[in-house]
Order: sequence, then structure tokens, then C-alpha cells
Amino acid sequence: DGGITQSPKYLFRKEGQNVTLSCEQNLNHDAMYWYRQDPGQGLRLIYYSQIVNDFQKGDIAEGYSVSREKKESFPLTVTSAQKNPTAFYLCASRGLQGGSDTQYFGPGTRLTVL
Amino acid sequence: GENVEQHPSTLSVQEGDSAVIKCTYSDSASNYFPWYKQELGKRPQLIIDIRSNVGEKKDQRIAVTLNKTAKHFSLHITETQPEDSAVYFCAASQMYNNNDMRFGAGTRLTVKP
Repeated sequence: DGGITQSPKYLFRKEGQNVTLSCEQNLNHDAMYWYRQDPGQGLRLIYYSQIVNDFQKGDIAEGYSVSREKKESFPLTVTSAQKNPTAFYLCASRGLQGGSDTQYFGPGTRLTVL
Repeated sequence: GENVEQHPSTLSVQEGDSAVIKCTYSDSASNYFPWYKQELGKRPQLIIDIRSNVGEKKDQRIAVTLNKTAKHFSLHITETQPEDSAVYFCAASQMYNNNDMRFGAGTRLTVKP
């Protein structure tokens, strides 16, 4: 259950501001992911990174940016270009556990635009 | 790309009854199907998964079945308990390339005591 942390848990932003969400993992996983979760919808992929210094756009990358300078860290910036940023943001990393090569999630950050 | 549909969106059962959640997928290359449970305000947690080389997998009160021909898979929870109340998500991807993992919209399960 542990090993992936996100901060802050709650974040409030004024319109027009950029904000950065933190995601850190100590599981030695190469791949990391950012998802957005809206009520009544599944998880939608924003960006993913398979290895340090490399990342790819997911299905809804517009208005977001990421970096992957360290294996442990994959921060997400929600820019002012994101038209509807209020959502629950989940970070995940992928690795082997109990025979399953799957994604494991952080606790999430709830972003509210005021 | 992969598209996953999940039904029903909400499910209410009496404690002790069984619950079944169904998902369909579109990409025949998908061979890995995890199920996640998300309690209110918390992270999704893997509860069971199945690979395409098996048709059924069971872990205590939960089981997953897979029909590759029909491209659908289901989660079965028997002897439900109030603590089973949560949102359940199915997903589909390729086993060693789940950068393309796609999730269903979720099922809110309520178990009434």
C-alpha cells in the first residue's frame, strides 16, 4: 500500500495560476503515470513515463505538463491552459508484486479551482 | 486503442448476497485484466487480476472470469459484507505494456446490512 506518495492531499488554485502536484515513489519502478478522475468516470491517462528523461502524452494531455528528472519523482503541472482542472489526480507506478506486473496508485490530490 | 465498458454503474445488494460486475473490451491484443477497489476518497487498490491464458481466478470471496472470444470479463463477489461497499474499476491492457491500460467507468457497490 505504501511506497507511492502524493502531495498535497488538497490543493486550491485561483483561475490563471499554474500549480504543480508532487508524486514520489521508492519502489524502484521505472514506469510512472498520471490520471485524472472525475465523478462518474473512469481514470483517464494524462501523461506517462517509462524511464527517466522520457515521457509521453496520454489521452488528455492538453493543459498539463510533466518532467521526469529522477526515477523517484514524476511531478505534474496543471497550467492555466487547462480549462476545467477541478478533479481528483492520481499518480501510479508500475512494477512486479505478487506475480502481477501492474499499476499501483498513490493516495491522490484533490485540486479545486476557485 | 482499447475501450473498456463497465456495467452496471451502481449496484445495491443485501449483505450476504452475491454481486456481479461486467466489463467488455475492444482490443483483442489485450491480455491482462486487473480489478481495482476504491473506497471513498482513497486510492484504487488492486484486488484481483487475470491473464488471458486462464478463464477463471478465485481469491476467497472474489473471483474473476474471462471470455476472450466474447471479449468480456466479470468480477464476482460472494457473501458480500458492508466493507465491500466501494467503487470497483475494471481495466484492460497488454501484460508487459500496460502504458495502454484503459479503465472502465466504475461501479459503485453498496452492501446494505
